Amino acid sequence: DQQVKQNSPSLSVQEGRISILNCDYTNSMFDYFLWYKKYPAEGPTFLISISSIKDKNEDGRFTVFLNKSAKHLSLHIVPSQPGDSAVYFCAASARGGSNYKLTFGKGTLLTVNP
Amino acid sequence: DTGVSQDPRHKITKRGQNVTFRCDPISEHNRLYWYRQTLGQGPEFLTYFQNEAQLEKSRLLSDRFSAERPKGSFSTLEIQRTEQGDSAMYLCASSLVLNSYNEQFFGPGTRLTVL
Repeated sequence: DQQVKQNSPSLSVQEGRISILNCDYTNSMFDYFLWYKKYPAEGPTFLISISSIKDKNEDGRFTVFLNKSAKHLSLHIVPSQPGDSAVYFCAASARGGSNYKLTFGKGTLLTVNP
Repeated sequence: DTGVSQDPRHKITKRGQNVTFRCDPISEHNRLYWYRQTLGQGPEFLTYFQNEAQLEKSRLLSDRFSAERPKGSFSTLEIQRTEQGDSAMYLCASSLVLNSYNEQFFGPGTRLTVL
């Protein structure tokens, strides 16, 4: 069963506009969430994270919002740039467990058009 | 470069052969993870080490797979008697767990193709 879901396989936006990538999760034990960006032939690169005690975390052009009651998080990129074009993965972990393994969604391919 | 490194970056092998991959984590990180990624999927957890101790193995890790992290530094992942279904990207990540937060930093991966 897919505990972390990214229901949009792809998203296309214009340069300068906002990109919104969505992620849903089903496991209520998840309490730490991360976004990774991945270019072809490279490993995932950590972007931003959020703990379940917060509902928003911002880092430059990237903001992650967490809605615990809806088990939903989103990544906002504004303004979007062509270099942001990549696959974005949502990941979650449960601090209650001892291993902190990450459970990933299937990813969303973001294309930012000049 | 002080990031996570993996070697080799690409490996092509014939079915039935054994292969071994190496991962060098960020030096001060105490945790090391192996993940596998297949086409159209996100990375899937395989196993992890806390220093030199292997503390969990996923059910995805069959008996043909073995991982080690001697002396708590680099790690190796060996696949014996490879099968075509083993073809995937094998990713290594490391982290330093502080205050229960766990940003994992990934290497570039080893792409395995089993013919």
